Amino acid sequence: DQQVKQNSPSLSVQEGRISILNCDYTNSMFDYFLWYKKYPAEGPTFLISISSIKDKNEDGRFTVFLNKSAKHLSLHIVPSQPGDSAVYFCAASVNAGGTSYGKLTFGQGTILTVHP
Amino acid sequence: GAGVSQSPSNKVTEKGKDVELRCDPISGHTALYWYRQSLGQGLEFLIYFQGNSAPDKSGLPSDRFSAERTGGSVSTLTIQRTQQEDSAVYLCASSLRHNPDTQYFGPGTRLTVL
Repeated sequence: DQQVKQNSPSLSVQEGRISILNCDYTNSMFDYFLWYKKYPAEGPTFLISISSIKDKNEDGRFTVFLNKSAKHLSLHIVPSQPGDSAVYFCAASVNAGGTSYGKLTFGQGTILTVHP
Repeated sequence: GAGVSQSPSNKVTEKGKDVELRCDPISGHTALYWYRQSLGQGLEFLIYFQGNSAPDKSGLPSDRFSAERTGGSVSTLTIQRTQQEDSAVYLCASSLRHNPDTQYFGPGTRLTVL
């Protein structure tokens, strides 16, 4: 039972354009969502997060949008750069007002390629 | 500062052998996690440590898998009588207690069972 799904295995974007990565979840208990980025032969690194009390969180070129009714979140990267080429994982947790101990449920990942 | 380190980076073993994978978390991080990434899959939670105790072992796939943590620091994941389906990248992460969802990952150990 895949509780967090990233239905696009890959995405190819031109440098300077917008990259939009999507993620869907099924568990309505999830209330905290994160995006991690992974380069080959390295572990994932935290990118950005959002709590379910918000519908948008922005950090520089990265913005995460949350649509709770649709159980959908997306990561926007504007403008995309070749160095953004990596695997992006969506993750979710049951934070429950700060009681989370960090058990993350991850999606399968989307390979983003940004062409110069 | 030093990040999370894991050893070995690669391990090739024969079916039926035991393997030990090691994780050195970031100093001061009380929480430690093991995940597994099989080919084409996302990261699968295995076990969580807070200090030396493991309140959540729910992700361990079978009783062939065990893990321990000593001194609130180094952790070892042991797989006994390895099977081909155990082949995966095993990732360790650590975090601060007050911010558990922001986890710092090591580079992983790629395990191949022949």
